[in-house]
Amino acid sequence: GAVVSQHPSWVICKSGTSVKIECRSLDFQATTMFWYRQFPKQSLMLMATSNEGSKATYEQGVEKDKFLINHASLTLSTLTVTSAHPEDSSFYICSGKQGWVTEAFFGQGTRLTVV
Amino acid sequence: DAKTTQPTSMDCAEGRAANLPCNHSTISGNEYVYWYRQIHSQGPQYIIHGLKNNETNEMASLIITEDRKSSTLILPHATLRDTAVYYCIVRVGLDSSYKLIFGSGTRLLVRP
Repeated sequence: GAVVSQHPSWVICKSGTSVKIECRSLDFQATTMFWYRQFPKQSLMLMATSNEGSKATYEQGVEKDKFLINHASLTLSTLTVTSAHPEDSSFYICSGKQGWVTEAFFGQGTRLTVV
Repeated sequence: DAKTTQPTSMDCAEGRAANLPCNHSTISGNEYVYWYRQIHSQGPQYIIHGLKNNETNEMASLIITEDRKSSTLILPHATLRDTAVYYCIVRVGLDSSYKLIFGSGTRLLVRP
């Protein structure tokens, strides 16, 4: 399958700071990117969907001013957690799909710990 | 939002077939069924998807009932590396713009 790479794999930051997570599609053009969050022992929760060059569409209950998503190119999307707090500590996972291709491929995830 | 029901956990012996059921009784006529799996602390891995015909690839087979209200993922010869959480997902939307809403999944344990 196609490869999606996330960076960093893990990050620890201080409360009140911002953290940026990168998601790259390495061998395909990701016209659509998805961002998920997963708390321990829970399933993945969709946060937002972004199409290249457009503003992201956020799921209900997800603060768009706190979780800034940029999808400026067909191979890169970023998620910035602004003013992070300990409750934002989670496993963040991105996924990308290309146009009419029916499969979406996932990155390896980023574990964020806010202290 | 999840439109699927799966058993919380299952186990099978290594080398045997693992049959993972999924109920999706409210599925619409043009909605696909997708299966992904997640090994601990990794991103989900695509397995297979289908609409109404049975599908097979190098990883697994997907059997969808004629009324499309349920399906079964079959791993023909389970190995220890198949231990993971398996998610059955009904895709919401079209090929060009859809969402994958994950349910709680089935935790499969493959025993030596």
